[in-house]
Amino acid sequence: GALVYQYPRRTICKSGTSMRMECQAVGFQATSVAWYRQSPQKTFELIALSTVNSAIKYEQNFTQEKFPISHPNLSFSSMTVLNAYLEDRGLYLCGARGTGGDQDTQYFGPGTRLLVL
Amino acid sequence: GEQVEQRPPHLSVREGDSAVITCTYTDPNSYYFFWYKQEPGASLQLLMKVFSSTEINEGQGFTVLLNKKDKRLSLNLTAAHPGDSAAYFCAVRATGYQNFYFGKGTSLTVIP
Repeated sequence: GALVYQYPRRTICKSGTSMRMECQAVGFQATSVAWYRQSPQKTFELIALSTVNSAIKYEQNFTQEKFPISHPNLSFSSMTVLNAYLEDRGLYLCGARGTGGDQDTQYFGPGTRLLVL
Repeated sequence: GEQVEQRPPHLSVREGDSAVITCTYTDPNSYYFFWYKQEPGASLQLLMKVFSSTEINEGQGFTVLLNKKDKRLSLNLTAAHPGDSAAYFCAVRATGYQNFYFGKGTSLTVIP
């Protein structure tokens, strides 16, 4: 079946430092990967959508300069939170969709929980 | 762009009662509809995917209704049990579009 893994599951960083998180798709080819942030209030914010052979599309209030994303192949994506501050805390989820599985459905990883001190 | 509104934000029911969560959307091109369940500390688990062509979909212990005319999607847990306590999110996607649009979630508590 289609599975999505995320690393690390939980991370703590000091204010102003950066941290990188990874997303791996297993059992299908992730032609598109979306990165979300879930706030403590549980609402989802789409950060950006990365589609193979297309430019990464960032949503309003999110920039490549702050959240650079790499999607080098059909099984892996990474995102870095640069200069993390308190408002960046939350659960970061990657949702992957593609061929080899149900290509209409977005499969989610367990998330990377970011705490900023 | 698509606007998805989900109600209620919080819902508390007794074990054995039914629980109904509703989402409304705005884009008439929306074609795929999803319900996800998120247990505390966990990620999103796909409950059901619904196509625009099907109005009633039954899962294990729940029913999903799609009213295209009113642009409304609902999740009906027929006899809730404590294991159903979780956050539920609807998501909508249009044909040809990559973005999934999520509702803000419903926190369901089932009281034994």
